[in-house]
Amino acid sequence: AQKITQTQPGMFVQEKEAVTLDCTYDTSDQSYGLFWYKQPSSGEMIFLIYQGSYDEQNATEGRYSLNFQKARKSANLVISASQLGDSAMYFCAMREILYGNNRLAFGKGNQVVVIP
Amino acid sequence: EPEVTQTPSHQVTQMGQEVILRCVPISNHLYFYWYRQILGQKVEFLVSFYNNEISEKSEIFDDQFSVERPDGSNFTLKIRSTKLEDSAMYFCAGQGGKNYGYTFGSGTRLTVV
Repeated sequence: AQKITQTQPGMFVQEKEAVTLDCTYDTSDQSYGLFWYKQPSSGEMIFLIYQGSYDEQNATEGRYSLNFQKARKSANLVISASQLGDSAMYFCAMREILYGNNRLAFGKGNQVVVIP
Repeated sequence: EPEVTQTPSHQVTQMGQEVILRCVPISNHLYFYWYRQILGQKVEFLVSFYNNEISEKSEIFDDQFSVERPDGSNFTLKIRSTKLEDSAMYFCAGQGGKNYGYTFGSGTRLTVV
């Protein structure tokens, strides 16, 4: 079964606009962590933001914020004031902490293209 | 900012050959991982390594694969007899530090021909 679902098709975003990338997850664990990574065309995986399941506040890191809705099992990434350098694939991932499991389960990714 | 370093960045190998992918993790990391990403697909977990032994592995990580940390710093992934379907980007990652996250290396793109 899919642990992480990212279903949006590729997105075109106007420079300086905000964009929201959807991510829903499936877990029966009470303790888990949610991550977003950026993968530009060069291929590296760049950590953006983390949200713990017990964190009461939504995580923010600069222009990135995570809209965490625990009851709906969603962890959407919001990028504010898009820049051309934000063009990339974005992956949502989850770590389930049950039994000390440390592996990350990734979604299929969202392609974002920022246009001037 | 400390980095996870992977070498080589690209490798082309003939089917049936052995390859060794190398990683130098961040020194204070405790857990180390290999992930792979077949072109255009999602990132998949292969194996995790803690305290000089495998702590977890996926169903992908069969007898063709092995990992070791031969000198206490380098962390290697060996594929004994490569197949065409092993062509992928292989990422090394380490865990530790303030962001609770995993720091990924820049990857090794393996092409099996």
